[in-house]
Amino acid sequence: EVQVLESGGGLVQPGGSLRLSCAASGFTFSSYSMSWVRQAPGKGLEWVSSLSADGARTYYADSVKGRFTISRDNSKATLFLQMNGLRDEDTALYYCAKRSEAGSYYFNSWGQGTLVTVSS
Amino acid sequence: QSALTQPRSVSGSPRQSVTISCTGTSSDVGGYNYVSWYQHHPGKVPKLIIYDVTKRPSGVPDRFSGSRSGNTASLTISGLQADDEADYYCCSYAGSFTWVFGGGTKLTVL
Repeated sequence: EVQVLESGGGLVQPGGSLRLSCAASGFTFSSYSMSWVRQAPGKGLEWVSSLSADGARTYYADSVKGRFTISRDNSKATLFLQMNGLRDEDTALYYCAKRSEAGSYYFNSWGQGTLVTVSS
Repeated sequence: QSALTQPRSVSGSPRQSVTISCTGTSSDVGGYNYVSWYQHHPGKVPKLIIYDVTKRPSGVPDRFSGSRSGNTASLTISGLQADDEADYYCCSYAGSFTWVFGGGTKLTVL
């Protein structure tokens, strides 16, 4: 069974940093692109960042570009999101999502999410 | 990277049908055959119900169907059931390994 489990969320002050992790199991992690998607309180889903299967190519939403860094450790089947310069508007539930097989572009497995709260 | 436009809410009675629209641009919805839809019950994990505009993953009832005309995609749910009450999000691939979601539509089963 495919599973992804996020961790690392918490309360942080504006301008602070946080590192999210996503532990994957039940599939060949190193073969799939992975993404982070977030949902702010009372708002819709927002794609945040994606990373190629080999970790060589990274992609970011304009809202986080230059502040967030996505990475992965394929030997440990783990995805990361380093978040620096956090702002109030980054407060959200952050989901880790597995992309579909090559040839299509959708998210077919999601974690439960980890909550990030940015507040002084 | 502007969000796709969805109605904030729709409603329908049991056994009726509802359609949720999702409007984008030629750079996303109209430009790629990669529109997906997710059902999200609050507090639970988003669930894929439609991918590649019209395809259903195994296990998703055929009451759920997707379509597209130009820059607008649609999700139709027929034979409404109480458990269909949830938030529904469209999502489109936007090129260069980026995606854009809709703002979400709250479905109420009356």
